Amino acid sequence: DAGVIQSPRHEVTEMGQEVTLRCKPISGHNSLFWYRQTMMRGLELLIYFNNNVPIDDSGMPEDRFSAKMPNASFSTLKIQPSEPRDSAVYFCASSSLAGDPDTQYFGPGTRLTVL
Amino acid sequence: AQSVTQPDIHITVSEGASLELRCNYSYGATPYLFWYVQSPGQGLQLLLKYFSGDTLVQGIKGFEAEFKRSQSSFNLRKPSVHWSDAAEYFCAVAPYSGAGSYQLTFGKGTKLSVIP
Repeated sequence: DAGVIQSPRHEVTEMGQEVTLRCKPISGHNSLFWYRQTMMRGLELLIYFNNNVPIDDSGMPEDRFSAKMPNASFSTLKIQPSEPRDSAVYFCASSSLAGDPDTQYFGPGTRLTVL
Repeated sequence: AQSVTQPDIHITVSEGASLELRCNYSYGATPYLFWYVQSPGQGLQLLLKYFSGDTLVQGIKGFEAEFKRSQSSFNLRKPSVHWSDAAEYFCAVAPYSGAGSYQLTFGKGTKLSVIP
């Protein structure tokens, strides 16, 4: 099992640019979560999907952030336009609703730096 | 809303010494409780979880945690620390959402350093 895959692992961009983070959940998992980790705020849940449908996006900081899950094996988190305060590590996690819904498996994260 | 407090930002212990990491939560009912570990540059890995039943739960890598309802605590322990345990540890709480998923609220983490 390859685990949760995230790309890119590191992203450096300039303020105002569009940034797209990608996630491939574990095969067979049907819940997907996006988290952001910063020194100041720790780990925060941004949004989560069940069966490709967004269930709760109350953690998304503002309209510059959007997330999609077009199919069961792929999700994106987009920031447009990016700002320096978006610099953080972004984690994707997945779980299985039918099997073990309370255990989330985390990807290695994408470290985003916005200059 | 639920919250989690990890009062120790950084702890240093000698290899072979015992370890206790503190976690206090705030929630209206008994929540589901978790401990995760994050090694440098890695994602989070689940160590153990508590839902109900025996208040002392065993996890991976020799860790255990005890749920104390009266103290709203869920402290993590290990009797003998290994150098490879150096990492950051996160306590988390989750209510069952009803939609089938568990929305985790994390504490700020405790960084563990191990002296050889």
